[in-house]
Amino acid sequence: GAVVSQHPSRVICKSGTSVKIECRSLDFQATTMFWYRQFPKQSLMLMATSNEGSKATYEQGVEKDKFLINHASLTLSTLTVTSAHPEDSSFYICSARPGTGENTEAFFGQGTRLTVV
Amino acid sequence: AQSVTQLDSQVPVFEEAPVELRCNYSSSVSVYLFWYVQYPNQGLQLLLKYLSGSTLVKGINGFEAEFNKSQTSFHLRKPSVHISDTAEYFCAVTRRTGGFKTIFGAGTRLFVKA
Repeated sequence: GAVVSQHPSRVICKSGTSVKIECRSLDFQATTMFWYRQFPKQSLMLMATSNEGSKATYEQGVEKDKFLINHASLTLSTLTVTSAHPEDSSFYICSARPGTGENTEAFFGQGTRLTVV
Repeated sequence: AQSVTQLDSQVPVFEEAPVELRCNYSSSVSVYLFWYVQYPNQGLQLLLKYLSGSTLVKGINGFEAEFNKSQTSFHLRKPSVHISDTAEYFCAVTRRTGGFKTIFGAGTRLFVKA
């Protein structure tokens, strides 16, 4: 099956610094990638949808200046948490969708645990 | 807009007993349906999916689900659970058109007791 790799799997950063999380589709080209956030013991909340070569579409309530998303190639999307604060600590998961046909599902990365201290 | 409701936040069950995790959805457009499992501090693993065709879908680890269009449900079942099935289970729907966004239910914690 299709593989999506997220890096790093865990990161600890100091308050006020920025952190970049990478999401790569290893064996397919991903025209669309999605970023989710998951708080402890809660469901996944969609943050934004990114299409290669265009600006990301953010969900209501998500600060686009804080969560910078770049989808520069068909195999890589990055999420940068800028000026991180402890409340940004969370589990971030990406998914990637190959192609634009109907019967194509999205494949999920293993997630990144961000802790801001 | 679409939404997913998982009717049970927690389901305790004894080992080797059958289990059903309930999922109902609403959507103004056609959707694909999925069940995912998440173990602690890990990402999501796809259990099964309904894209089209037969409404009874079989997945990994002995799980199956049935798509019921009239009741807008996609309940997950397993005839005999193991301790190792203890995990969080998420039902999800993806729009077939217009961005293919996936929306998740709140999750059901399956706890299998010895």
